[in-house]
Amino acid sequence: GAGVSQSPRYKVTKRGQDVALRCDPISGHVSLYWYRQALGQGPEFLTYFNYEAQQDKSGLPNDRFSAERPEGSISTLTIQRTEQRDSAMYRCASSLGDIFYGYTFGSGTRLTVV
Amino acid sequence: GQQVMQIPQYQHVQEGEDFTTYCNSSTTLSNIQWYKQRPGGHPVFLIQLVKSGEVKKQKRLTFQFGEAKKNSSLHITATQTTDVGTYFCAGGDFAGGTSYGKLTFGQGTILTVHP
Repeated sequence: GAGVSQSPRYKVTKRGQDVALRCDPISGHVSLYWYRQALGQGPEFLTYFNYEAQQDKSGLPNDRFSAERPEGSISTLTIQRTEQRDSAMYRCASSLGDIFYGYTFGSGTRLTVV
Repeated sequence: GQQVMQIPQYQHVQEGEDFTTYCNSSTTLSNIQWYKQRPGGHPVFLIQLVKSGEVKKQKRLTFQFGEAKKNSSLHITATQTTDVGTYFCAGGDFAGGTSYGKLTFGQGTILTVHP
């Protein structure tokens, strides 16, 4: 597509529920990134993929968070047993490659855990 | 781990005044990128610097990468109301291993321009 598409735009969930956030990158972009952005802060790295391979997952806060990109295109970030502290804007970005390419960000998913 | 700090956190200027934001890294960077985020929007890529001492210009915006590749600055000449937003620097550090794509973002500088 023309840009990076994320869905849903907004998600309100109850504490303890699982959520899945979807990212559809720009066609042909090899690299896909997940970041989390708190209000008034810069994006915080979670994980990234080249094609279907997860290159770095060092930013995932704990084992409740996981991500996959099984066919090297669409990616899903899953949060199990959500907690209130998981509330944030989750941003996906993609790029042509991982070395020396700028990111194109999607509009994000605003997750609220109540 | 790598830390990237930006100052100032906020900057209020009158339209026509200049603006500068500074970015400092705790480690030597492989590259630095700058992004602009409008209120309610998402970060948009502006530019990348790779070489020590590099200077790049985009119209009224001037970007610099320090000689030691640990700091960078963004300078806007004669600000306009369209410059309003948050400016983020983001540093890459390849030296740690294979995570070439990971960027560490600063906390951003929020620019307000009064007409």
